[in-house]
Parts: sequence; structure tokens; C-alpha cells
Amino acid sequence: EVQLLESGGGLVQPGGSLRLACAASGFTFSTYAMTWVRQAPGKGLEWVSTIGGSGADSYYADSVKGRFTISRDNSKNTLYLQMYSLGVGDTATYYCAKRFFYFFDEWGQGTPVTVSP
Amino acid sequence: QSVLTQAPSVSGAPGQRVTISCTGSSSNIGAGSDVHWYQQLPGTAPKLLIHGNTNRPSGVPDRFSGSKSGASASLAITGLQAEDEADYYCQSYDISLGGAVFGGGTKLTVL
Repeated sequence: EVQLLESGGGLVQPGGSLRLACAASGFTFSTYAMTWVRQAPGKGLEWVSTIGGSGADSYYADSVKGRFTISRDNSKNTLYLQMYSLGVGDTATYYCAKRFFYFFDEWGQGTPVTVSP
Repeated sequence: QSVLTQAPSVSGAPGQRVTISCTGSSSNIGAGSDVHWYQQLPGTAPKLLIHGNTNRPSGVPDRFSGSKSGASASLAITGLQAEDEADYYCQSYDISLGGAVFGGGTKLTVL
């Protein structure tokens, strides 16, 4: 059974930093691209970033480019999202998801991030 | 403003059929990118419902079906049940943006 377990969310002040983690199990982690998707309170889903299976390739939404860094440790079956210069607009639940071709077939339960003074 | 356009809400009585539409552009659905659909029950994570325009993952009832034509796609739900009340999102890949794009979501209310 595939499991994705996010952690690291919390309350942070504007301009602050936070690192999210997603522990994966139940599949060959290094074989699959992984993605972060976020959802602001009461809003829809927004793609944030994707990283290839080897970690060599990464892609970002314009809204986070230059502020967020996606990475992975295949020896630990863990995906990361390092977030810098956080603003109130980054307040959301952040989901990690396993990508299969160009869709997301498995999702974690999400970790909430609140950016507030 | 989402790249893919969905109606904010739709409703139907138990047993009825409803459709949810998703309209894109020449840089995503219209460019040939597949459309995928997700169901998000209240307070839970999204769940894959349809992939590759028409394909249901194992365990998804055949009451759910997808279609695509041109730059638009649709999700149809037949035999509506109370448990279908959820938010539904379409998703595709945008060539210009170089990443996944989602619709704004459609809230289905079962009357």
C-alpha cells in the first residue's frame, strides 16, 4: 500500500522559511517523479513543483520560482520542499503527490502552512 | 484565476446524472494534453478519479466517466449518490507554463 506522509508545516512569520518533508513507502520511490500541490483555505488546487525520479530535473510554478526548492533523498524515500521568503499568499495545505505520467495517482494527507505576523 | 475553467457548482437529485465541464486552451487541453479528474471529499486529500481523459483507476465505480473534445473535457456522474457530494477538479499539462494546471473546482451538491 502506497503511503505519503507530509510533515513540517506550521505557523511562520512573513519573510520566514520552512522545510516540508514527505515520507514515502509502498512503491519504488526513485522510479517516480514527485510533486507538491497546495490548496489555500477555501480555494482550489495549485501545482507548486515537480522533481524527477533521479532528482536531476525540477520544475516550479511561477508563483514560487526563486523562493522554493524541491529536492529528494532516494536513500531515505523522502521528498522535501524548502520554502523561503514566505508571504501570506503562501498560506495553504501542502500535499505531496506521486506522479504517474502526467497525473497524480497517490496523495498524502497534507500539511498546513500558515504565514501570519 | 485558474488556467482551466470549471463552473463553481452543480447539483442534482439522487439517481440523476450530472456533468462537470472543464475548458482549457490551445496551450493545454487544446494542444492534446490529457485531462485528469480528482474528487476531494470534505476535509480530505484529493483522490484520482479519471486519468487519460477516460480511464478509471481500480476501485472507482463505473458511474463516473470522462470525455474530451477539442479544448474541453467533461466528467459525467450517473446514478448520483449522497456520497458523491464533493469538490471535483480537472487537471492537465500546460505546454507554455511547463507544468500541471488545475481547474478552479466544481462543488457537487446532492439534493
